[in-house]
Amino acid sequence: TQLLEQSPQFLSIQEGENLTVYCNSSSVFSSLQWYRQEPGEGPVLLVTVVTGGEVKKLKRLTFQFGDARKDSSLHITAAQPGDTGLYLCAGASGNTPLVFGKGTRLSVIA
Amino acid sequence: NAGVTQTPKFRILKIGQSMTLQCTQDMNHNYMYWYRQDPGMGLKLIYYSVGAGITDKGEVPNGYNVSRSTTEDFPLRLELAAPSQTSVYFCASRAWTGNQPQHFGDGTRLSIL
Repeated sequence: TQLLEQSPQFLSIQEGENLTVYCNSSSVFSSLQWYRQEPGEGPVLLVTVVTGGEVKKLKRLTFQFGDARKDSSLHITAAQPGDTGLYLCAGASGNTPLVFGKGTRLSVIA
Repeated sequence: NAGVTQTPKFRILKIGQSMTLQCTQDMNHNYMYWYRQDPGMGLKLIYYSVGAGITDKGEVPNGYNVSRSTTEDFPLRLELAAPSQTSVYFCASRAWTGNQPQHFGDGTRLSIL
């Protein structure tokens, strides 16, 4: 059974601080997807990383896929209250259902 | 473009009642999924479908049933509602290729009392 371990589970920081969320597995995935979920809504895709070692930037968010395609990280620079939400990583392997981590609940305090 | 539409948005059921959660997508996606999300937790896969007429169990299928008679629709049925089924239910769809993202509906918040 493929598992994705996300850490930390909860994170509460002040506006302007930096943070990193980790997503780790013992399994190899063909891609890693990151989603953000806001209260009362479904998760929305932020980014997909496909190649080992790949780095993608989305404004203040930087996503990295590990060289062995088993882990990924999300780094947020100068966090803002609008970044508050549940961040989920999900591993894709062929056409089987995505494997989701349990999520990191981020709260950015103004 | 509607994407994935779920109805109803909210529902309260009594123990033992039955209901169907509706999900429809207009993106012609082959793959559809049902998840439940308990308070403060991640997503747990209930059932999924890779195309019309084909369904398969996920991680937590007990107490639920699904059908997929068309590409667009993937309803989830609760036959005998139990308090443990109180949760937020999300439907999602995805195109056939493995690295494509999942598109989620806005969820159905279900309480069993």
